[in-house]
Amino acid sequence: KNEVEQSPQNLTAQEGEFITINCSYSVGISALHWLQQHPGGGIVSLFMLSSGKKKHGRLIATINIQEKHSSLHITASHPRDSAVYICAAQAPSRAQKLVFGQGTRLTINP
Amino acid sequence: SAVISQKPSRDICQRGTSLTIQCQVDSQVTMMFWYRQQPGQSLTLIATANQGSEATYESGFVIDKFPISRPNLTFSTLTVSNMSPEDSSIYLCSVVTGAGYTFGSGTRLTVV
Repeated sequence: KNEVEQSPQNLTAQEGEFITINCSYSVGISALHWLQQHPGGGIVSLFMLSSGKKKHGRLIATINIQEKHSSLHITASHPRDSAVYICAAQAPSRAQKLVFGQGTRLTINP
Repeated sequence: SAVISQKPSRDICQRGTSLTIQCQVDSQVTMMFWYRQQPGQSLTLIATANQGSEATYESGFVIDKFPISRPNLTFSTLTVSNMSPEDSSIYLCSVVTGAGYTFGSGTRLTVV
């Protein structure tokens, strides 16, 4: 079993739909990261969470430390949101190394 | 957060040759990470590069195949040596600062 599990692995939705991507982890963390990877390969950091909830534009990320679970939500989804979204755990036991989930490929159709 | 310039963005190479990938950071950072992302897979850490010391390689990666240089706190290179088609992947560098992690734009390598 992977230490960081994401679901779903693939998600296709229509423009405007509310999107939720889930992440569960089994390692102790100092922070949980949500990353976005576009088809060209570059990765952008969306959120770094250690507790609670963060919002940036149409993106919302939440974390429940007790349940070791985080969610990424996209409101009013748009085709430009199509990308791979990756959850990554920053574990104190691993120094500064990230433990990555397998990614969720999101496709938003117009 | 830091800004990273990674070069080249893509390359097609003959088997048996080597490719050197460069990452330039706009600020001084202690640790730099090099990742490989094979097709359809998530990121796998190759090594951690600290300035002034040998890189620390993860299990399954060796210095002879992936030599790394870290001459100063803003620059690093990763060489993929004696390439085979199995080395076709995206290679990324990353740094961590107080603002979080920043990733390079990636190098898409195809070995033919």
